[in-house]
Amino acid sequence: AQTVTQSQPEMSVQEAETVTLSCTYDTSESDYYLFWYKQPPSRQMILVIRQEAYKQQNATENRFSVNFQKAAKSFSLKISDSQLGDAAMYFCAYRSGRRTQGGSEKLVFGKGTKLTVNP
Amino acid sequence: DSGVTQTPKHLITATGQRVTLRCSPRSGDLSVYWYQQSLDQGLQFLIQYYNGEERAKGNILERFSAQQFPDLHSELNLSSLELGDSALYFCASSVAQAYNSPLHFGNGTRLTVT
Repeated sequence: AQTVTQSQPEMSVQEAETVTLSCTYDTSESDYYLFWYKQPPSRQMILVIRQEAYKQQNATENRFSVNFQKAAKSFSLKISDSQLGDAAMYFCAYRSGRRTQGGSEKLVFGKGTKLTVNP
Repeated sequence: DSGVTQTPKHLITATGQRVTLRCSPRSGDLSVYWYQQSLDQGLQFLIQYYNGEERAKGNILERFSAQQFPDLHSELNLSSLELGDSALYFCASSVAQAYNSPLHFGNGTRLTVT
């Protein structure tokens, strides 16, 4: 079974600075998808960014970008120009891309990293 | 707004009781997923339904059951509740069989068992 590990339970960053959140995963599959979700205090789960494993180019969404290292099974999230509104729990998630009989599109989540943004 | 609706938002009940959580997926989404988020824990996958049929089962207790109805809404039934069942329960939906599409989450139901 696939597992996702976020080794940083908590991180902090100064407003306008850059922070990187770590994520590693364990899989024997070659085809998969990776996601970062944000959960602010409102508890809503919000998609931040996604990455297809077959793409070598790292995904970017405005101030959010990833460093995807397939061989190392690493998928870190970089937040540039941090804003107070970025304070939240961030979850890394894995989805198998393998279409097998009875396969599921479920996401497997890490335990999350709590990000604090200091003014 | 994700388009996924969960009711109720909060639920307080006693040990031994039974509750039903309801989820309406986004329009057009055929898959519904249920997740449990306990304190200081990530999201644990419970079960997935696709177009009315069970598609995948995760760490769902035997005391818990779910179903998806013809109109695609889903219900998660929790019975013989224990204190440890207190958690945030999320429902999510997705486009059918599109592996790169994200899950769209509802705002969750906060269950407190006293």
